[in-house]
Amino acid sequence: QLVLTQSPSASASLGASVKLTCTLSSGHSSYAIAWHQQQPEKGPRYLMKVNSDGSHIKGDGIPDRFSGSSSGAERYLTISSLRSEDEADYYCQTWGTGLHVVFGGGTKVTVL
Amino acid sequence: EVQLVESGGGLVQPGRSLRLSCAASGFSFDDYAMHWVRQTPGKGLEWVSSISWNSGTIAYADSVKGRFTISRDNAKNSLYLQMNSLRHDDTALYYCAKEGPSGTYFDYWGQGTRVTISS
Repeated sequence: QLVLTQSPSASASLGASVKLTCTLSSGHSSYAIAWHQQQPEKGPRYLMKVNSDGSHIKGDGIPDRFSGSSSGAERYLTISSLRSEDEADYYCQTWGTGLHVVFGGGTKVTVL
Repeated sequence: EVQLVESGGGLVQPGRSLRLSCAASGFSFDDYAMHWVRQTPGKGLEWVSSISWNSGTIAYADSVKGRFTISRDNAKNSLYLQMNSLRHDDTALYYCAKEGPSGTYFDYWGQGTRVTISS
């Protein structure tokens, strides 16, 4: 079964970096995922698609401070030079056959 | 500029029906699959349903299968979600989302329409 696992929370200081992890379930380590950001009281926004080789395709207007990478079944989102507006929920998302979609549980990022 | 504007949400009683719409603009609507995703207050994102560009492939989450029907009208650049036999746990903010160019991920989202099921 295709499942995405995320830590519920992460925190880092203003100006520092934070690395979020999204783990694909066993047997699905070749899958690409997408990262989405949801700021408080706002709709989700697409950040990037991350492939199994670590290459990524960013959404329109996503700053260079956001980057993606991969290792095995793990997909990462790194946010550098943290700003207050980066405080948000971050969701990873992937897809199976026949347009079936799976979301991770989300990681709440707190900027200290 | 890609725009997705949902409408049709509201307050309805359990067991009743509601039809959501999503008006799309700024891209070639008939080139892309489209999706519905919902979010219960304070909870995470939950995929609801997807439809391919030509309506040839349709998928539903188990939680809505048999009660919800997704459809699209490419001539009107519109996506729909017919929701029947609504339950309290269908209460959520419903988003429509556009599929990205290289896989079933969402590269644009609407702002959502709120559905509340209550007697």
